[in-house]
Amino acid sequence: GDSVTQMEGPVTLSEEAFLTINCTYTATGYPSLFWYVQYPGEGLQLLLKATKADDKGSNKGFEATYRKETTSFHLEKGSVQVSDSAVYFCALSALNDYKLSFGAGTTVTVRA
Amino acid sequence: NAGVMQNPRHLVRRRGQEARLRCSPMKGHSHVYWYRQLPEEGLKFMVYLQKENIIDESGMPKERFSAEFPKEGPSILRIQQVVRGDSAAYFCASSPIGGGLNTEAFFGQGTRLTVV
Repeated sequence: GDSVTQMEGPVTLSEEAFLTINCTYTATGYPSLFWYVQYPGEGLQLLLKATKADDKGSNKGFEATYRKETTSFHLEKGSVQVSDSAVYFCALSALNDYKLSFGAGTTVTVRA
Repeated sequence: NAGVMQNPRHLVRRRGQEARLRCSPMKGHSHVYWYRQLPEEGLKFMVYLQKENIIDESGMPKERFSAEFPKEGPSILRIQQVVRGDSAAYFCASSPIGGGLNTEAFFGQGTRLTVV
């Protein structure tokens, strides 16, 4: 079945450092890919998404590119802030499906 | 506009008791999804409901678990005779329609169930 594997955490960074969280997937067909973020005490929020190969999703300085050849959707941010401290989840859904398959989540802590 | 509201945030139950988890979707949303996150794992789909209907319960354990979304009131995930292995975070999400490229599901904060 469809599955997502993401980089294990926790990840601790200094402010203004570069962040990368790796995500690879296994799926039949052409899934949609997502990154969700959960800030402390809050629910999961959609951070960005990409629905076809070579699409780049971006939001709040974060970017991820849908790479079909490597079945990857790595999340990157060039300069993190303390407010980016959160748990990040990579997820996929089959075309027009409502079910999301999630990775285990990566906890990111940014220190001032 | 309030987001998806789940309560309680934390629930402790002894083995053999019942657990009831509530989810109020966002205003105007008629589709509800429940997910479970076991320790060290990703969220796993459990069930998809519309008002008064279960659309897909393929992720629900066959016994002890049930879900409903009545015409009035919140969606309820009910776990009977809880066991330690039911300890997990349970997340609810809602959407205005049932899926598709431009449909975003909005998640609640989750209920953390601990069975002692």
